[in-house]
Amino acid sequence: EVQLVESGGGLVQPGRSLKLSCAASGFTFSNYYMAWVRQAPKKGLEWVATISTSGSRTYYPDSVKGRFTISRDNAKSSLYLQMNSLKSEDTATYYCARHGIAFYFDYWGQGVMVTVSS
Amino acid sequence: DIRMTQSPASLSASLGETVNIECLASEDIYSDLAWYQQKPGKSPQLLIYNANSLQNGVPSRFSGSGSGTQYSLKINSLQSEDVATYFCQQYNNYPWTFGGGTKLELK
Repeated sequence: EVQLVESGGGLVQPGRSLKLSCAASGFTFSNYYMAWVRQAPKKGLEWVATISTSGSRTYYPDSVKGRFTISRDNAKSSLYLQMNSLKSEDTATYYCARHGIAFYFDYWGQGVMVTVSS
Repeated sequence: DIRMTQSPASLSASLGETVNIECLASEDIYSDLAWYQQKPGKSPQLLIYNANSLQNGVPSRFSGSGSGTQYSLKINSLQSEDVATYFCQQYNNYPWTFGGGTKLELK
């Protein structure tokens, strides 16, 4: 059974940093592109970052480019999201997700809440 | 960026009814479209990919269709467990973008 378990969320002040982690199990982690998707309270979904199987390629939307960094450790079946210079508009539930054969998301974690507030 | 517009934003339907949700892309996405279901307090789950391919384990009452810029999700014989918000997502062009969602409630 595919499982994705996020951790590392919490309350952080604007301008500070936070690092999210995602522990994967139930599949060969190194074979899949992985991603982070977020959802602001009572809002829709926004893709945040994608990383290739080896970690050599990363993709971001303009809203987080230069502030967020996605990374992975295939030996530990773990995915990470380093978030710097956080803004109030980054407040959201962050989901770890697995990409399918194409760039849709076939499995999602339960999500972790990040609140950016002073 | 490709803009995905869903309609309606919300709808109310009766048990056993057939429901249709539309998704309009701002440009041709060549069937690179997925549909997700998000139940209250839960994470999204993939229903449909490639516009009309049913994800493993998803009930056959769900189906997807469309091409070009216009796509739809159909739910036959609505069940109580289908109460959820539904999102479409295009993955033809980076950045991958989602529709605003359709909230489905029981009448």
